[in-house]
Amino acid sequence: DAGVIQSPRHEVTEMGQEVTLRCKPISGHNSLFWYRQTMMRGLELLIYFNNNVPIDDSGMPEDRFSAKMPNASFSTLKIQPSEPRDSAVYFCASSPPGGGTEAFFGQGTRLTVV
Amino acid sequence: GQQVMQIPQYQHVQEGEDFTTYCNSSTTLSNIQWYKQRPGGHPVFLIQLVKSGEVKKQKRLTFQFGEAKKNSSLHITATQTTDVGTYFCPSRDSNYQLIWGAGTKLIIKP
Repeated sequence: DAGVIQSPRHEVTEMGQEVTLRCKPISGHNSLFWYRQTMMRGLELLIYFNNNVPIDDSGMPEDRFSAKMPNASFSTLKIQPSEPRDSAVYFCASSPPGGGTEAFFGQGTRLTVV
Repeated sequence: GQQVMQIPQYQHVQEGEDFTTYCNSSTTLSNIQWYKQRPGGHPVFLIQLVKSGEVKKQKRLTFQFGEAKKNSSLHITATQTTDVGTYFCPSRDSNYQLIWGAGTKLIIKP
């Protein structure tokens, strides 16, 4: 299995632009998580899906952030409009069914908003 | 939700020295997981401990789960440069989702 695949690996964009991050979870996994990691705040859970349904989005910073999971093999995290404070590494992770299982992380997308 | 405190936040060691990081919870944990994140990398699952007093080894790494299931430790014997990174022991919230602390950053002195 190729693992969790994220794209792009790096993104540099200007303030105000729309940014879309993509994730393909491991086949057969039914939970998907979006995290943000910064030096100041560490690893923060933004939102997670179970069976393609958003379960908890309380970690989404504000309305500029939105996430979708149209099917079991694809998810997007969109920031519109982007701001410099959104600069961070964004990780997608997936877990197999069963609850309490390990999380498999993608390589992450390093976002820089200038 | 329950929070697990991890100490120390940073640990500088000479290559070849041992390293230990501790996770402590005020409440009983159903299980605990350990992850490692290398600089510039992503968190990678190391192990899960479930039973009271459980001890598991992976080569030079020894993981322990306390008898009361409120604390856990990771001990690395004779550190090597490949051990550099941040070690996490995330806790679970009421929805069984992982809540991540700051971790312990292992730094090898040059």
